[in-house]
Amino acid sequence: QKEVEQDPGPLSVPEGAIVSLNCTYSNSAFQYFMWYRQYSRKGPELLMYTYSSGNKEDGRFTAQVDKSSKYISLFIRDSQPSDSATYLCAMPFSGGYNKLIFGAGTRLAVHP
Amino acid sequence: GAVVSQHPSRVICKSGTSVKIECRSLDFQATTMFWYRQFPKKSLMLMATSNEGSKATYEQGVEKDKFLINHASLTLSTLTVTSAHPEDSSFYICSASSGPSTDTQYFGPGTRLTVL
Repeated sequence: QKEVEQDPGPLSVPEGAIVSLNCTYSNSAFQYFMWYRQYSRKGPELLMYTYSSGNKEDGRFTAQVDKSSKYISLFIRDSQPSDSATYLCAMPFSGGYNKLIFGAGTRLAVHP
Repeated sequence: GAVVSQHPSRVICKSGTSVKIECRSLDFQATTMFWYRQFPKKSLMLMATSNEGSKATYEQGVEKDKFLINHASLTLSTLTVTSAHPEDSSFYICSASSGPSTDTQYFGPGTRLTVL
């Protein structure tokens, strides 16, 4: 079993739709949860950063963590064509130099 | 926000040659830098962690003699792919963090390496 599982998609939605992106993880020691967005041929950029369970909202983006289920989600409201990218969840190893474990990434396409 | 640059953005080389990729943190001091490799439509795989002034720590299965990492200053780390072969063709991405207690990593734009 991989430590972080993420459906690679692709996920295709119409503009304005609500998008739900998800990851599951197996290590209960993970404390921090991150979502990165990566456009084609570019490096990832940090979108959201959450700690522990609960929700965090930033504009059209909401990150949700359910530690009891080892399940995290990223919701995108009113999706736009510019949201078309690959979304990666990531979690740091505890201790040491905070190495990140990434999910496979979900490719999202928002069509007009 | 923090900016990390990589140079070159794209490189094509012949098999057997060595290629050096630079990673720079432009507006902060990066005590820790990470090097990742990403195959098409795949996720990032951590290759090594480097700390300024010390030897890099390589992940299991990564050949340290093939992928030489030097973190000579707080703003510069280099990855040298020695005696490159076609199977080394990949997208190489670095990231930088301002310290071991900081979880946020800022990523460079990546370098596309093609070995003929």
